[in-house]
Amino acid sequence: SQTIHQWPATLVQPVGSPLSLECTVEGTSNPNLYWYRQAAGRGLQLLFYSVGIGQISSEVPQNLSASRPQDRQFILSSKKLLLSDSGFYLCAWSDRPNEQYFGPGTRLTVT
Amino acid sequence: GIQVEQSPPDLILQEGANSTLRCNFSDSVNNLQWFHQNPWGQLINLFYIPSGTKQNGRLSATTVATERYSLLYISSSQTTDSGVYFCAVREYSTLTFGKGTMLLVSP
Repeated sequence: SQTIHQWPATLVQPVGSPLSLECTVEGTSNPNLYWYRQAAGRGLQLLFYSVGIGQISSEVPQNLSASRPQDRQFILSSKKLLLSDSGFYLCAWSDRPNEQYFGPGTRLTVT
Repeated sequence: GIQVEQSPPDLILQEGANSTLRCNFSDSVNNLQWFHQNPWGQLINLFYIPSGTKQNGRLSATTVATERYSLLYISSSQTTDSGVYFCAVREYSTLTFGKGTMLLVSP
């Protein structure tokens, strides 16, 4: 069966510091991968998605970037964090453009 | 882009009560999913239901694609049903989420 991992689970970082969040999927090949952010107030915002290695689509211009160095690895990065980057970051996968499955999330607090 | 509206935004129930959550969307969609976000933040897949009716235990869902809405039914609610319920629709390669319905089931 397929599983999705995210780490770290929680992170507290100062403003201006770099960020790297990692997401890996097991048990499938060539999945579509997604990064979402959920700020206080519930809504989920799609940040990036990828249909293959090195292929990244950005949905919202911002202080973040994404990379997919391997088939089942998706990384979310920032060179300099802003206070507004705080939130709950969720990675998701789908093995076809149908049902999506989510990881456990990373709670980021920028101080 | 497509708009997704969920109602009600908040719902408080006594344990054992039934409820109906609604999801309206503004255009034709290729799929529709319902999720439950538990208090720890985990998004749990409830239904993948682009059309028709499905049931899973005390939960069931119906999507009427031609009329652009979906309903999630929760029967005999339990305190563990508390959390936020999201509807999400796929237009092309990505999902668009509604703002969710926050459900609190009290004992």
